Amino acid sequence: DVKVTQSSRYLVKRTGEKVFLECVQDMDHENMFWYRQDPGLGLRLIYFSYDVKMKEKGDIPEGYSVSREKKERFSLILESASTNQTSMYLCASSSRPGSYEQYFGPGTRLTVT
Amino acid sequence: AQSVTQPDIHITVSEGASLELRCNYSYGATPYLFWYVQSPGQGLQLLLKYFSGDTLVQGIKGFEAEFKRSQSSFNLRKPSVHWSDAAEYFCAVGELSFSGGYNKLIFGAGTRLAVHP
Repeated sequence: DVKVTQSSRYLVKRTGEKVFLECVQDMDHENMFWYRQDPGLGLRLIYFSYDVKMKEKGDIPEGYSVSREKKERFSLILESASTNQTSMYLCASSSRPGSYEQYFGPGTRLTVT
Repeated sequence: AQSVTQPDIHITVSEGASLELRCNYSYGATPYLFWYVQSPGQGLQLLLKYFSGDTLVQGIKGFEAEFKRSQSSFNLRKPSVHWSDAAEYFCAVGELSFSGGYNKLIFGAGTRLAVHP
């Protein structure tokens, strides 16, 4: 089974802090994705990566950056956390460029106070 | 741009009753369509997918969905709901990212299902 893990289930950070959310997949997938999930809005794509060191902006990249130094790991960075970034963050991976099927991690619920 | 609409934010059904969750999409070509389920505290799990061929697709946990091109719909159904089906359900459409040639998913807002005993 594909396993996508996220470093924390719950995080509480202060406004202005730099925040790192880590995601690791164990199936050698090329594509990895970061979403945020908010009630009534569904999942919105922040960034995705289709190869090591390659990244592409999603629909809501403002206030976020990403890093992919190794194939299995994809990090989401909040350079200066703000209260409007309080949300559930979901990481996903898919096996090849032509595959739409994505496998999701359990999510990190981030609260910024 | 592609979009997905799930008209029902919350649905409550009794255990053993039938279920239909609605999904409408906007897409120019033949869509790739998906239903995911998110149980409380969990990530999303794929229930079923439609790429082409038979318009009635079977998924896991006894779910099925029917693609109707004329109505731009991909509704999810289950004949008899179990209490463990209480979760949030997301419909999604695949979108080709032309800039990179890589594929993305566009999600609906979700429908939260409650099951009464």
